[in-house]
Amino acid sequence: DVKVTQSSRYLVKRTGEKVFLECVQDMDHENMFWYRQDPGLGLRLIYFSYDVKMKEKGDIPEGYSVSREKKERFSLILESASTNQTSMYLCASSFGTFYEQYFGPGTRLTVT
Amino acid sequence: RKEVEQDPGPFNVPEGATVAFNCTYSNSASQSFFWYRQDCRKEPKLLMSVYSSGNEDGRFTAQLNRASQYISLLIRDSKLSDSATYLCAVNEKGGGADGLTFGKGTHLIIQP
Repeated sequence: DVKVTQSSRYLVKRTGEKVFLECVQDMDHENMFWYRQDPGLGLRLIYFSYDVKMKEKGDIPEGYSVSREKKERFSLILESASTNQTSMYLCASSFGTFYEQYFGPGTRLTVT
Repeated sequence: RKEVEQDPGPFNVPEGATVAFNCTYSNSASQSFFWYRQDCRKEPKLLMSVYSSGNEDGRFTAQLNRASQYISLLIRDSKLSDSATYLCAVNEKGGGADGLTFGKGTHLIIQP
């Protein structure tokens, strides 16, 4: 079974803090993704990566950056957290472009 | 980014009934299609891929209609445990590792 893990299930941070969310997959998948999910807005792609050290912007990259130093690990960074970044953050991985994605359990981030 | 549309529901269905819902997509070049199930405050989990010829997994049947650009999910003999939000997902681009485009989900409630 594919396993995608995320570093925290719940996180509370203050406005202006730098926040790191980490994701690890154990299936040697090439592609990794970060989404956020908000009520009424659905899942929105923040960034994705198709190889180590490679990254591409998704639909809503503003205020975020990512890092992929190892194939199995994909980190999402909120440089200066703001209240509008309060959300559920979901990491996913897939074998390749047309393949299904597998999600981690999510991190529910609250920025106060 | 192209649109993937779903009826948000909720669909209230008695236990044992058959329920079907559709998902329309706007990009005729879309290559791969999936149905995910998401329980409240959990991550989306892959339910099934959707193949051109249609596919069945137990009580679940998925179909693709390329001419009309929609995919469908049919659930027979519905169970209380089928209550969830069902997300369709479409990979719209070829050649890149772009993430899936998700619909906002259809909320299904199975009533005893």
